[in-house]
Amino acid sequence: EVQLVESGGGLVQPGRSLRLSCAASGFTFDDYAMHWVRQAPGKGLEWVSSISWNIGNIGYADSVKGRFTISRDNAKNSLYLQMNSLRAEDTALYYCAKGRTLDSGWDYWGQGTLVTVSS
Amino acid sequence: QSALTQPASVSGSPGQSITISCTGTSSDVGSYNLVSWYQQHPGKAPKLMIYEGSKRPSGVSNGFSGSKSGNTASLTISGLQAEDEADYYCCSYAGSSTWVFGTGTKVTVL
Repeated sequence: EVQLVESGGGLVQPGRSLRLSCAASGFTFDDYAMHWVRQAPGKGLEWVSSISWNIGNIGYADSVKGRFTISRDNAKNSLYLQMNSLRAEDTALYYCAKGRTLDSGWDYWGQGTLVTVSS
Repeated sequence: QSALTQPASVSGSPGQSITISCTGTSSDVGSYNLVSWYQQHPGKAPKLMIYEGSKRPSGVSNGFSGSKSGNTASLTISGLQAEDEADYYCCSYAGSSTWVFGTGTKVTVL
């Protein structure tokens, strides 16, 4: 059974940093692209960042470029999101998602970890 | 990276068909066959309903279908059921390892 479990969320002050993790199981992790998607309270889905299976292709939303860094450790079946210089508008539930073959859709999602940026 | 445009809400009676549009540009929807659709019930994680514009993952009802014409993708729900009431989001590849979601559509079953 595929499982994605996010962790690392919490309350953080503006300007500080946080590192999210996503532990994957039930599939061959290093065969698939992985993604971070966030959802602000009461708002829609927003793509945040993606990383290919071999870390050869990485992308960021303009809203987080230069502040967030995505990474993965295929030996640990884990995905990460280092978030620096956090802003109030980064407050959201952060989901990790697994890409399908050829990354043509994201077929498994975690339950999310909540990040709240507030003083 | 502007969000794809979806109607805020669509409604229909049980058994009816509804269609949700997703309008992008020639840089995203119009350029790639990588539009996917997600269903999200309140308090739940999104669920993949359609990938590559028109393909259904295993386990998704054949009442869900997708299509694309130019810069606009569409999701049609046929034989609307109460459990189809949810938020729906389209998502498209936008080049250079970037993706963009739609603004989301709330589907109400009357």
